[in-house]
Amino acid sequence: DQQVKQNSPSLSVQEGRISILNCDYTNSMFDYFLWYKKYPAEGPTFLISISSIKDKNEDGRFTVFLNKSAKHLSLHIVPSQPGDSAVYFCAASASATDSWGKLQFGAGTQVVVTP
Amino acid sequence: GAGVSQSPSNKVTEKGKDVELRCDPISGHTALYWYRQSLGQGLEFLIYFQGNSAPDKSGLPSDRFSAERTGGSVSTLTIQRTQQEDSAVYLCASSLDLSYGYTFGSGTRLTVV
Repeated sequence: DQQVKQNSPSLSVQEGRISILNCDYTNSMFDYFLWYKKYPAEGPTFLISISSIKDKNEDGRFTVFLNKSAKHLSLHIVPSQPGDSAVYFCAASASATDSWGKLQFGAGTQVVVTP
Repeated sequence: GAGVSQSPSNKVTEKGKDVELRCDPISGHTALYWYRQSLGQGLEFLIYFQGNSAPDKSGLPSDRFSAERTGGSVSTLTIQRTQQEDSAVYLCASSLDLSYGYTFGSGTRLTVV
């Protein structure tokens, strides 16, 4: 069963605008969430993370929001740049029940930033 | 090296043959993970090694899959009697602290024909 869901397989956004990527999860034991970015023919690279004790974490142009009651998180990229065009994966970890560091990944969202 | 190194980068094999995929993690990273990504799918957890603890093999899809990590460093993922559904990109990652996320290698693209 898919415990981490990214329901939008693709997103197109104009350069300079905000990109909003969404992720839903079903396992209430998840307590750590991460976003990864992947370019073709490369491995995913870590982007930003958030612990369940927070509801927001910001790093430069990237902000992750967590709504635990809705089991929902989102990644905002402002402003979007052409180099942001990639596949973005949401991931979650349940430290109390899973092996340390074992992550469940969503299926990814392909972001295309147009000039 | 500076990153996680995987070899080979591409592998084409005939159905029924065995394959070995290699992963060199970042030096000093105690945790090592194998994931795979099938076409159009997310990353699927396979196996996890942490220090000297017994590995978490809960993600291995069948007994044809096995993995070792020798000396706490290099890891080999072995797939016996490959099937077409094993075709995927196999990704290795290592980590020192989850708060910094994993560092992934570029993956091995396995094609079973």
